Amino acid sequence: GESVGLHLPTLSVQEGDNSIINCAYSNSASDYFIWYKQESGKGPQFIIDIRSNMDKRQGQRVTVLLNKTVKHLSLQIAATQPGDSAVYFCAELTGANNLFFGTGTRLTVIP
Amino acid sequence: DAMVIQNPRYQVTQFGKPVTLSCSQTLNHNVMYWYQQKSSQAPKLLFHYYDKDFNNEADTPDNFQSRRPNTSFCFLDIRSPGLGDAAMYLCATSREGGQGPYEQYFGPGTRLTVT
Repeated sequence: GESVGLHLPTLSVQEGDNSIINCAYSNSASDYFIWYKQESGKGPQFIIDIRSNMDKRQGQRVTVLLNKTVKHLSLQIAATQPGDSAVYFCAELTGANNLFFGTGTRLTVIP
Repeated sequence: DAMVIQNPRYQVTQFGKPVTLSCSQTLNHNVMYWYQQKSSQAPKLLFHYYDKDFNNEADTPDNFQSRRPNTSFCFLDIRSPGLGDAAMYLCATSREGGQGPYEQYFGPGTRLTVT
């Protein structure tokens, strides 16, 4: 079956450093992936997405890398700021409308 | 601003007492979703509506029902809440067609407490 898992449940980084959050998925047929940020007491907020015909996509301070060979996804945050502290979920579209979320990584930014 | 709105933000109900959670959207998206998120866990899809078509996840308990009277509104009914149903309930929307798939937009959630 499908599964989306994260390698690290927690990640602490110094303010200004770059952050890398990793995610593994098991459904090689998945063709769409999303990273969400969830702050305490709020709903998930879309960060960036990538389709399987791409291996890299950049946004503002964020980059998503997709390695289909090893079924691995990563989110890179440049110059991490205190406002980036949150739980980050990768999510995989497993069917027409079924978004399957990974476990989540809690990012803590140390001032 | 176009958005997904959930009411109430916090809901307390008694064990076994039916409760309804509400979601509305101004995005005019044709797909609406309900997720359950327990503490320190990922959101888990309960069901979704594609327009008026209801799609239930296989492991969603019968205790959970949903209604979508029109494009803008969707309700989650919990017929007999148990202590294990205490969670954050998230509503989301997405559009379909064209150059999709597209991301899902989430509301702020309703935190349900069962006493």
